[in-house]
Amino acid sequence: KAGVTQTPRYLIKTRGQQVTLSCSPISGHRSVSWYQQTPGQGLQFLFEYFSETQRNKGNFPGRFSGRQFSNSRSEMNVSTLELGDSALYLCASSLEQGPGQPQHFGDGTRLSIL
Amino acid sequence: QKEVEQDPGPLSVPEGAIVSLNCTYSNSAFQYFMWYRQYSRKGPELLMYTYSSGNKEDGRFTAQVDKSSKYISLFIRDSQPSDSATYLCAMSAGNFGNEKLTFGTGTRLTIIP
Repeated sequence: KAGVTQTPRYLIKTRGQQVTLSCSPISGHRSVSWYQQTPGQGLQFLFEYFSETQRNKGNFPGRFSGRQFSNSRSEMNVSTLELGDSALYLCASSLEQGPGQPQHFGDGTRLSIL
Repeated sequence: QKEVEQDPGPLSVPEGAIVSLNCTYSNSAFQYFMWYRQYSRKGPELLMYTYSSGNKEDGRFTAQVDKSSKYISLFIRDSQPSDSATYLCAMSAGNFGNEKLTFGTGTRLTIIP
């Protein structure tokens, strides 16, 4: 069974640009969450989607947005990029939304802002 | 103060030793506790998953949860060089509509051959 697939693996952008990252969950998984990982802050929750609806959102500015499609694939978008947005962006999927469903992560997209 | 505290290490132990990794937390709503292993340039890999207090064993790995002390541990027996990685504890309240994981900062572990 294929794992969580994230594309692209690496991305270099400049300040002010916008970027879209893609995530394909494990087949059959319907819940997708996104996290930002930085050396200083560790892993921080961005948002969570289930059945194309955002169910939960972390403490990030409105420049960070996401969506989920009917096939459970998800995208996140960051607009007006800042140097501090340089990070590893991780997507995790779980079988369904419910108490304590284990989340399985992809290998992430490493975003570098110049 | 962070909701989840984890000693960042680094921690270096000789091959074959028993490794103990720990996290403390402050949110009493946490019910689900996980340990992830992350190799360099890879995403976190789920190692152990437990609900509420108690012990869970899987091969060389044992996870312990003490909710009364708000303390969780991961033990690795007969450690191998391939266990060298960053270990992340994570936990969630598991409420419907709020499945977000709250992570510790991770402990970097090196097993010396």
